[in-house]
Amino acid sequence: QSALTQPASVSGSPGQSITISCTGTSGDIGRFDLVSWYQYHPGKAPKLMIYEGSKRPSGVPNRFAGSKSGNTASLTISGLQAEDEADYYCCSYAGGSTVIFGGGTRLTVL
Amino acid sequence: QVQLQESGPGLVKPSETLSLTCDVSDYSISSGYYWGWIRQPPGKGLEWIGSVFRTGSAFYNPSLKSRVTVSVDTSKNQFSLKFNSLTAADTAVYYCARDTGSPAGTYDSWGQGTPVTVSS
Repeated sequence: QSALTQPASVSGSPGQSITISCTGTSGDIGRFDLVSWYQYHPGKAPKLMIYEGSKRPSGVPNRFAGSKSGNTASLTISGLQAEDEADYYCCSYAGGSTVIFGGGTRLTVL
Repeated sequence: QVQLQESGPGLVKPSETLSLTCDVSDYSISSGYYWGWIRQPPGKGLEWIGSVFRTGSAFYNPSLKSRVTVSVDTSKNQFSLKFNSLTAADTAVYYCARDTGSPAGTYDSWGQGTPVTVSS
């Protein structure tokens, strides 16, 4: 079970849009519509931003959107704000009641 | 609003066993959902360790399965992690969390995390 593949870093200016990719296999992302995304600020607990591919928990701004194509899931943040600067992790159900995380992406708001 | 709180030793010697407990409040584990453990080694990403259902059925990361046991105690509304044969590579912040999927990796509530150092 190898970690899902994410870019190490992405950056964008306030107001812009960025997209973080998360690549898995036909056994996880490609097979199940069960990708979640987490925002992580060091020293704090991760925060669920997207679940089941594209659903937003209550309280998460609609600037955050999730999608999937084949074995790759994506998180798009539009109207980038300074407070969005954080690490982002994708996570997918991998069958057999197991779960797998991505390696994480550091988002820098310029 | 469900709350989770990890507890356990902050320092463990190599080759020993780590025991962590997650106390759950404002939600009964007996009501359902899966309850998981996730860790983050220094400078690295999140790693799923395993999870348990209210019945005691547990599921593990294949790469850690031989060293890990996750269990649940519904009478105390808590679940636990036992991790044996520790090495320095197991140094990490350990989180407990609730998965509202079936399971699905939909961890909607997390503990604050407890740092664990493996060192002699």
